[in-house]
Amino acid sequence: DVVMTQTPLSLSVTPGQPASISCKSSQSLLYSDGKTYLYWYVQKSGQSPHLLIYEVSSRSSGVPERFSGSGSGTDFTLKISRVEAEDVGVYYCMQTIHLPWTFGQGTKVEIK
Amino acid sequence: EVQLVESGGGLVKPGGSLRLSCAASGFSFNAAWMNWVRQVPGKGLEWVGRIKSKLSGETRDYAAPVTGRFTISRDDSKSTLYLQMNSLEIDDTGVYFCAWQTDFGGRLGFWGQGTQVSVSS
Repeated sequence: DVVMTQTPLSLSVTPGQPASISCKSSQSLLYSDGKTYLYWYVQKSGQSPHLLIYEVSSRSSGVPERFSGSGSGTDFTLKISRVEAEDVGVYYCMQTIHLPWTFGQGTKVEIK
Repeated sequence: EVQLVESGGGLVKPGGSLRLSCAASGFSFNAAWMNWVRQVPGKGLEWVGRIKSKLSGETRDYAAPVTGRFTISRDDSKSTLYLQMNSLEIDDTGVYFCAWQTDFGGRLGFWGQGTQVSVSS
C-alpha cells in the first residue's frame, strides 16, 4: 500500500500567521494521464470531512483563496496563508492513484 | 442540493453482522461512483471500498482489512448505497461515511454525516 506521511501531526498557529503541512507518499502519485491524484480534506469537530484541494493544487468550490496546495511526485504541501479561527480542524492528504486509496495520519490545526 | 444520509449503525458483538445504508439525493445516483470511508477511534480516516456505476461495470474495490468480509452494493432504483459487514471485528469500530466520487480521478466531493458502528463483547 502507498504510505502517506504527514508532518507535523499537530500545529498551533496564531491567527493571521501562515501554516504549512507536508505530505509525502511512498510512491509517485503522477499518473500516465499527466495528472497527480493527491487530495486534501479537512474534518472539523463533529463534522464529516470535506474536500479542500484536488489534484495537488486546485481549490474545491467555495474554498477560500488562503488555502493553496503544491508539490509533485511524492512531496506535497498544503499552505494556509493567514490562519483564521474557523480553520481549526484535522487536515488529511489522500492519494487515489494506487489501490487501496490511502490517507495520511492527519494534522491537527489549533489556534493559539 | 446533494444529500447523503447514512443509517444502520449500532452496537454488535464480534463475529456479528450489520448492513449500512446511504440514501442519496440531489444528483444522478445511477451514474455515480460511490465510496465508503471509516474513521477509527484514535486513528484517522481509512478508505473502505468503492463501487462503480452499472455503466462502468459495477466494479468493486476494497481495502485489504475488509476484503472477504464486507460487500458494497447499490440499488439505483432506490438511490441507495449499501455496506454489508460480516464477521465484524473490534477493529471495525468507527464512524462510517459514504462519499460520492465526483470524478474518475477519485475526488470525494460530497460526504454523508456518518453512522457509528461499535463492535464489542
